[in-house]
Amino acid sequence: EVQLVESGGGLVQPGGSLRLSCSASGFTFSSYAMHWVRQAPGKGLEYVSAISSNGGSTYYADSVKGRFTISRDNSKNTLYLQMSSLRAEDTAVYYCVILSGPFDYWGQGTLVTVSS
Amino acid sequence: EIVLTQSPATLSLSPGERATLSCRASQSVSSYLAWYQQKPGQAPRLLIYDASNRATGIPARFSGSGSGTDFTLTISSLEPEDFAVYYCQQRSNWLLFTFGPGTKVDIK
Repeated sequence: EVQLVESGGGLVQPGGSLRLSCSASGFTFSSYAMHWVRQAPGKGLEYVSAISSNGGSTYYADSVKGRFTISRDNSKNTLYLQMSSLRAEDTAVYYCVILSGPFDYWGQGTLVTVSS
Repeated sequence: EIVLTQSPATLSLSPGERATLSCRASQSVSSYLAWYQQKPGQAPRLLIYDASNRATGIPARFSGSGSGTDFTLTISSLEPEDFAVYYCQQRSNWLLFTFGPGTKVDIK
């Protein structure tokens, strides 16, 4: 069974940093690109960042470019999102996601709240 | 970046009625378009991938069509559990996937 379990969310002050982790199991992690998608309270889905299967290529939405860094450790089956210079508008549930045709799985999400 | 627009923003219908949701891309995405359903407090669920292929376990009342820039999700006869928000997502640009703003299907 495919499982994606996010952790690391919480309350952080504006300008602060946070690192999200996503522990993957039930599939060959190193074979798939991985993605982060977020959803602000009451809002739609926003595609945030992605990384290729070997970590050699990455993508960032303009809204987070220069502040967030995506990475992965294929030996630990873990995806990361390092977030810095956080703003109130980064408040959202962050989902770790596989998006590969019909092979489509979402974690339960982790809530990040940026507030003083 | 490819921008997706969805219409209408809200669709008010009764159970048993047919729902037609539209998604338009700012440039061609070929057939690399997916549709998701999301209910409150839940992660999105994949309904359709590659424009017209139903995901595993998705009922036949859901169908997708289109290619290039114009796509449609049709729910042939709404069941009570179908009232939710629906998002389209383009997967044309590798690692540059984007979502549309969503269409809310609510009970009339």
